[in-house]
Amino acid sequence: GESVGLHLPTLSVQEGDNSIINCAYSNSASDYFIWYKQESGKGPQFIIDIRSNMDKRQGQRVTVLLNKTVKHLSLQIAATQPGDSAVYFCAENRGGSNYKLTFGKGTLLTVNP
Amino acid sequence: NAGVTQTPKFQVLKTGQSMTLQCAQDMNHEYMSWYRQDPGMGLRLIHYSVGAGITDQGEVPNGYNVSRSTTEDFPLRLLSAAPSQTSVYFCASGTESSGANVLTFGAGSRLTVL
Repeated sequence: GESVGLHLPTLSVQEGDNSIINCAYSNSASDYFIWYKQESGKGPQFIIDIRSNMDKRQGQRVTVLLNKTVKHLSLQIAATQPGDSAVYFCAENRGGSNYKLTFGKGTLLTVNP
Repeated sequence: NAGVTQTPKFQVLKTGQSMTLQCAQDMNHEYMSWYRQDPGMGLRLIHYSVGAGITDQGEVPNGYNVSRSTTEDFPLRLLSAAPSQTSVYFCASGTESSGANVLTFGAGSRLTVL
C-alpha cells in the first residue's frame, strides 16, 4: 500500500549545526504536507506545513522543501539547539477531509551539546 | 485555554474488559480525531469526526467505537480490549478557520491490555 516513509530513523547532530530530516511519499495525489515534532511523553506539535503548489516554505529556523518530481519532502532546522531533540514526523493529506493525515514512522533527532 | 485534554493518562486493562478514553477540546474546533501510536511507527488514524453527530472510520477502526454528541467531546470506546490494542492513543482537533489545516494534539493516553 501507499505510505509516507523516512530515509533515516535517527539523526545525531552537534549543537549549532543545521539538521536535515528527509521524508518520501508515494501518493502523487497528496496535496498537503505537514511536519510535526514530538517530544518524549508529549503529543505531536505542529511545526510547519506546505501545499503541493509550493516548493519551499520558511518559518522560524525551519524550512520545508517539497520536490514533487521525486515525491520527497525535507525539513531543515537551522542552528539546531538541544531543545530541538525530538521525534519528527512528516504527514500527508491524501485528499478527502483536510484533516485525514497519514503519518510517516518518524525520525529521532538527537542534538549533542 | 486548556486545548485538547485526554483522560486517563495511563490505564491497564485485562483482555475482554471495556473502557472509554475521554477527549475534550475547548477551542470550538469542528474536527476531532483519534490516532494510535505504536513503537517505531507513526500515528495511525482510528476514527474522526467533522462535526457533532458525524463520525467516520480511519485506517484502523476495528475494535473501537466513537460518538460525537457535542462539539467539545469525542470519546473513544473499547468494547472488548485485546492485547493488540496496547498502544498510546492521541486525540486531536482542528479547524479550517485558523487559516491552516493544523491539528492540535492532546498529551496522550497510554493503554496496556494484559
